[in-house]
Amino acid sequence: DADVTQTPRNRITKTGKRIMLECSQTKGHDRMYWYRQDPGLGLQLIYYSFDVKDINKGEISDGYSVSRQAQAKFSLSLESAIPNQTALYFCATSDVDSEKQYFGPGTRLTVT
Amino acid sequence: DQQVKQNSPSLSVQEGRISILNCDYTNSMFDYFLWYKKYPAEGPTFLISISSIKDKNEDGRFTVFLNKSAKHLSLHIVPSQPGDSAVYFCAASSSGTYKYIFGTGTRLKVLA
Repeated sequence: DADVTQTPRNRITKTGKRIMLECSQTKGHDRMYWYRQDPGLGLQLIYYSFDVKDINKGEISDGYSVSRQAQAKFSLSLESAIPNQTALYFCATSDVDSEKQYFGPGTRLTVT
Repeated sequence: DQQVKQNSPSLSVQEGRISILNCDYTNSMFDYFLWYKKYPAEGPTFLISISSIKDKNEDGRFTVFLNKSAKHLSLHIVPSQPGDSAVYFCAASSSGTYKYIFGTGTRLKVLA
């Protein structure tokens, strides 16, 4: 079984809809991250969480919110989706005092 | 403002030859650097890293070189294999922040 899982893997939604992307991990890591990847722009940090009670904005948090329901779960929400949020979204985890991140397989989101 | 740059979007190399992937950064506060490899439909996977206290780190066929004065790092793959064909991202952070800035990626194609 994969250590970091993301659901759904693919989603098509309409402008204005609310959508939630979910991330679960079995690695026991405290740190969790959400990134988006756009063609030609690499990975950009949306939000990150160093423990259940710690939530921080990344480079591009506008239009997004997150919830850290448990150590193992970190959800990303788009309250009112817009077409320029069409992208590939990755969740990642890392252990305390480790720089190495473990990524999920990604969610491809299309907003029409 | 792109703090981490990978100026070559793509690179083709013959099997058995050396692949050299380059990465430049602008923020002098960055002191830890990582390379990730990404296959289609998968999340990035950690490849190799280097701290600014070193100028070279080697792991099997993979070597990362860091030139702090030039704010430049490179990943060498010797010998290149067809299975190395993937997108390679470099990432940088300031120690202790556990926040990462990613480059835009270089697509490596190793020709058999």
